[in-house]
Amino acid sequence: TQLLEQSPQFLSIQEGENLTVYCNSSSVFSSLQWYRQEPGEGPVLLVTVVTGGEVKKLKRLTFQFGDARKDSSLHITAAQPGDTGLYLCAGDKASSNTGKLIFGQGTTLQVKP
Amino acid sequence: DSGVTQTPKHLITATGQRVTLRCSPRSGDLSVYWYQQSLDQGLQFLIQYYNGEERAKGNILERFSAQQFPDLHSELNLSSLELGDSALYFCASSPGRYNEQFFGPGTRLTVL
Repeated sequence: TQLLEQSPQFLSIQEGENLTVYCNSSSVFSSLQWYRQEPGEGPVLLVTVVTGGEVKKLKRLTFQFGDARKDSSLHITAAQPGDTGLYLCAGDKASSNTGKLIFGQGTTLQVKP
Repeated sequence: DSGVTQTPKHLITATGQRVTLRCSPRSGDLSVYWYQQSLDQGLQFLIQYYNGEERAKGNILERFSAQQFPDLHSELNLSSLELGDSALYFCASSPGRYNEQFFGPGTRLTVL
């Protein structure tokens, strides 16, 4: 059972298009992070959201944490080929007393020029 | 550069062998995490150490073990290797706040 469900799993779009990636769970999380990973490299932290309803912007990327802290979304405006990669959401369960993160299975994004 | 270092970058070995992967966390981070990433399984949490002590265990096989040393570097030992152990192994460290993790470049293990 995947505690964090990401959708879609694969996304191929043209440069300039907008897209949204979703990360959903039935569990409540203390915090949720988004990472981006390129082939053969380690995931790179993009953002952490901790407050229900929180919205954070990072240039063309907008991250939102659901009011109930069970879900999150990543919206990219005017996607560029440099945005290509694997996007992972990861959550720190509210009931956990360790630092263990639960990762979603990832969304592979391809932005074609 | 995340500040987390892992060695070696690549490792090719045979079935039945034993290997050791090494990780140095970011300066000041007390937590170290190990993950296995394969094409069909995604990123799987193996084990976490905090300041030298095991804190959480994930899907770590009995053939695998890890430890964190007083200088906070960590080693992941993989023994009796099988073909299915071929994967990318990542180490991450965390300063503790919100458990944000900073990943190393990984070790690509190939078992032939």
